[in-house]
Amino acid sequence: NAGVTQNPKFQVLKTGQSMTLQCAQDMNHNSMYWYRQDPGMGLRLIYYSASEGTTDKGEVPNGYNVSRLNKREFSLRLESAAPSQTSVYFCASSRQGFRGYTFGSGTRLTVV
Amino acid sequence: TQLLEQSPQFLSIQEGENLTVYCNSSSVFSSLQWYRQEPGEGPVLLVTVVTGGEVKKLKRLTFQFGDARKDSSLHITAAQPGDTGLYLCAGDPSAGTYKYIFGTGTRLKVLA
Repeated sequence: NAGVTQNPKFQVLKTGQSMTLQCAQDMNHNSMYWYRQDPGMGLRLIYYSASEGTTDKGEVPNGYNVSRLNKREFSLRLESAAPSQTSVYFCASSRQGFRGYTFGSGTRLTVV
Repeated sequence: TQLLEQSPQFLSIQEGENLTVYCNSSSVFSSLQWYRQEPGEGPVLLVTVVTGGEVKKLKRLTFQFGDARKDSSLHITAAQPGDTGLYLCAGDPSAGTYKYIFGTGTRLKVLA
């Protein structure tokens, strides 16, 4: 029972570099989410996917893109990293009808 | 933008003391969740409250949803060092979307 798995756990990027954050869940959940967590600002929704084949913007989507590859996998891509994207990124999933998320353990990203 | 404000932001208490954490908003939520997050990990769901006035108990933790579904509280009785962590509330502003808005958190430290 892995739950929600995120890779990598740590990453340092230079400004302008690109990278993809990986997320996979093995709970057969329909919905998946990407949040970022910054000190004093709580968790903010970047993008979400209500079901396989659909994605939609959250509160802070600028500078990010997502792909719902299949029901299990939901990736987050930074095309041109900026220092303002230094944060801890969490992927979460939820099953239909259940109010609450299962979170991964996060990716700590530093952009220098 | 709907906001969830948590208070206090920080709390340091001795083992055995009682405490209450508050989560307040001017907006109505269809449900509200409480999570606990430990360093280096993702948040873990503790409870979901749905009905105004609802009270749920989880061992020494008591959760209450306000009658108007705009606020919630978490009360811990006889706190233990294992209760140390970041407590987050999250509200669902529109039933069925599961796009939760998170509060900024209360960081609790229980000293032995």
